Amino acid sequence: DAGVIQSPRHEVTEMGQEVTLRCKPISGHDYLFWYRQTMMRGLELLIYFNNNVPIDDSGMPEDRFSAKMPNASFSTLKIQPSEPRDSAVYFCASSFVLLNEKLFFGSGTQLSVL
Amino acid sequence: QQPVQSPQAVILREGEDAVINCSSSKALYSVHWYRQKHGEAPVFLMILLKGGEQKGHEKISASFNEKKQQSSLYLTASQLSYSGTYFCGTGVYSGGGADGLTFGKGTHLIIQP
Repeated sequence: DAGVIQSPRHEVTEMGQEVTLRCKPISGHDYLFWYRQTMMRGLELLIYFNNNVPIDDSGMPEDRFSAKMPNASFSTLKIQPSEPRDSAVYFCASSFVLLNEKLFFGSGTQLSVL
Repeated sequence: QQPVQSPQAVILREGEDAVINCSSSKALYSVHWYRQKHGEAPVFLMILLKGGEQKGHEKISASFNEKKQQSSLYLTASQLSYSGTYFCGTGVYSGGGADGLTFGKGTHLIIQP
């Protein structure tokens, strides 16, 4: 299995631009998570899906952030418009079940908003 | 709410032992431990479940005190490869069901030769 696949690995953009991060979870995993990592806040849970349905988006910082999962093998996290404070590493992770089994993390997307 | 980890950082000599603590203000269902190397994704080490089931890595152990909502990760006879940032993730059930895994801010572990 190729693991959780994220793209792009690095994204540099200018303030105000739209940014789309992509994730392909491990086949058969019912749960998909988006995390944001910064030095100040550590790993923050933004949103998670169960069987393609968003379950908890309380961690999404504001309306500029949106996430979708149109099918079991693909999810996107979109920021529009982007701001410098959005600069962080964004990780996607997937798992079979919610709390009883480990998370498999993707390699992350390093986002820099200038 | 994020679990609290301690210490924030620790420096050891190879072969020494380390303990990393994780505490939560909520009743925990599960505690996960992950290690992250610089520039890489977190990697799973251990999971502890309410009721005492323990799974995970052979060379690293952990405890889970359900009553105190605390967990500790024990690294014995540390190796250079143990260097990295250790995160605990806590799983809780709230009124609406299970919450997604919430991570602490991490403990930076440096192992020196």
